Amino acid sequence: DIQMTQSPSSLSASVGDRVTITCRASQSISSYLNWYQQKPGKAPKLLIYAASSLQSGVPSRFSGSGSGTDFTLTISSLEPEDFGVYYCQHHTNWPLTFGGGTKVEIK
Amino acid sequence: EVQLVESGGGLVQPGGSLKLSCAASGFTFSGSAMHWVRQASGKGLEWVGRIRSKANSYATAYAASVKGRFTISRDDSKNTAYLQMNSLKTEDTAVYYCTSPYCTNGVCSFDYWGQGTLVTVSS
Repeated sequence: DIQMTQSPSSLSASVGDRVTITCRASQSISSYLNWYQQKPGKAPKLLIYAASSLQSGVPSRFSGSGSGTDFTLTISSLEPEDFGVYYCQHHTNWPLTFGGGTKVEIK
Repeated sequence: EVQLVESGGGLVQPGGSLKLSCAASGFTFSGSAMHWVRQASGKGLEWVGRIRSKANSYATAYAASVKGRFTISRDDSKNTAYLQMNSLKTEDTAVYYCTSPYCTNGVCSFDYWGQGTLVTVSS
């Protein structure tokens, strides 16, 4: 199974800060990497697919990069509504796996 | 508008069974794979399994943690997917989501999710 490791597990940042979350796969997954945001009591929301493609309707302050085993989700300027837990997920072979999550708090 | 609505969650004793349903609308259900993902309280997301379309022989795949106990099926005439859960364990307690992948150029992602249904396994 492909293991997905996210870091950090949590962070606290101020509005306007640049935030970076990393995700590492235990083996190469090419660009088959998605990012989701989840808020309390809600289903996950797709932000980025195929490592760097912005999902329709997602603000342009979100961006993704990487390929192979190392990936990054960047929020260029943190907004109050960006709190929540962020997950990476590979979509290569079975079983699909998610990273452990990164909790983003607003200072 | 795409909608996925899960139902069937509840309280069940260890060793018991439960069947979840996921009613879909707003897209071509019969041509889509359907996946189940679960989340224990305060924990991360865990992929449970998937069923592919008729064109792909309704092929299923499961996480090791549920293989042999859980079965995913579908009824295309009702636009509904099911998750039959047998031999339930306390560690199966979670919110269960159904989701349908959107695939383009060989890349798939989960852009539509249900609201989730809570399954509690406890004596």
